[in-house]
Formats: sequence, structure tokens, C-alpha cells
Amino acid sequence: AQKITQTQPGMFVQEKEAVTLDCTYDTSDPSYGLFWYKQPSSGEMIFLIYQGSYDQQNATEGRYSLNFQKARKSANLVISASQLGDSAMYFCAMREGFNTGNQFYFGTGTSLTVIP
Amino acid sequence: DSGVTQTPKHLITATGQRVTLRCSPRSGDLSVYWYQQSLDQGLQFLIQYYNGEERAKGNILERFSAQQFPDLHSELNLSSLELGDSALYFCASSVGRSEQFFGPGTRLTVL
Repeated sequence: AQKITQTQPGMFVQEKEAVTLDCTYDTSDPSYGLFWYKQPSSGEMIFLIYQGSYDQQNATEGRYSLNFQKARKSANLVISASQLGDSAMYFCAMREGFNTGNQFYFGTGTSLTVIP
Repeated sequence: DSGVTQTPKHLITATGQRVTLRCSPRSGDLSVYWYQQSLDQGLQFLIQYYNGEERAKGNILERFSAQQFPDLHSELNLSSLELGDSALYFCASSVGRSEQFFGPGTRLTVL
């Protein structure tokens, strides 16, 4: 089974609107971390936001927030007030366990296009 | 700038050749991860090292090998190259429970 599933290959959003990028995960480990990365057309991978499995509140970083629904095993990324510069590929990732050196699992990504 | 460096930035070579990609992790990071990103395969995990030892292996071909040296830099060796090996190769490093920090990548073109 896939550890990380991103079901939206491509998404469009109007500038200044909010958009939600979906991510579901699969693990039996009670301790895990969830991450979102952005990859613009220039190619670099940029870390956006982190959510730990024991965190009680949803993570927020500026215009990014993570809608963490543990029972549903979902970790959707919400981008508020979209900007043209948000157009990029977005990857959801998971790390099982909190031991140093554990493997990361990445989803297949969602391509977001912000329309002016 | 993530603090992870990768060299070279671009590499063009011919089928059948062998190349070495180099990665220096962020200062203090003991884990190094290698990924391959091609258009049709997405981001594929290849291999992970932790403090010089192999920790996890992903979809890495037998023609590929890697190692992490005592100074924690890592090298990914790709041999008997095929056209399908053309891709962007990322190195990432991490420490503890934190996120991975990615290098800028090496774009390999096999002609």
C-alpha cells in the first residue's frame, strides 16, 4: 500500500482565493511526522510546514496551514490568499517514528496553477 | 539556501558511462538521503545513510551505489548509464525529528 497518497495531479485556483491540496497517509506507527514541500519550476524543494502526530493543534506557517485529521489519516495543505508565486508542484511526505535516521515517504505531488 | 550542497549542477554524459554525484549535508546533519526525480516517475527514494551506515534502501538499481564518508559527505555512483537514467538527482539531509533539507539537485542528461 502507498504510504502517501495525493489524488489531485493538478489544481487551479484564482489569485487571492484559498485552495486545499489533499494528502492521505498510511501508517501503523503511532509516532510520525507529516511534511509539505513546494517545488517551483526552478526545481528546488522548499520545506513549507510540519505536523507531528501528537500535536494537538493544526500547524500554521504564514499563509500555509495543515488540516490534520488523525482519524481519517489525512493531512491536507491549505494555502490562503493564493499568489501567482504559489504556482508550483506540492509534495506531501511522512516520516514514521521519531528516531533519527528514519526514512521519508513522498507522495506523487499536486501541480498547482494560480490564475490571475 | 538550504545549506545542502550538490555538485555538479549539470552533467551530460553518454550511455554506458559512469558518473559520481556529490553531496555535502548541512552542518550537524547525520542523515543523507538520495532521490531521483524524472518526469514520469515522480520523486523516487533511492537510499539513505546515517552517520556513515546504510539505513534504508528504496528503488535503487544495482548499477547505482552510494556511500557516506567519515566527514558525512555522500557520493552517488551511477554506472552503465542508460537513457532512462536522465533525471534530477536530489540529496537531502536531516537531523532528529526535523524536516529534510534538500540540495539544489544535479541534473543528469544521458545521451
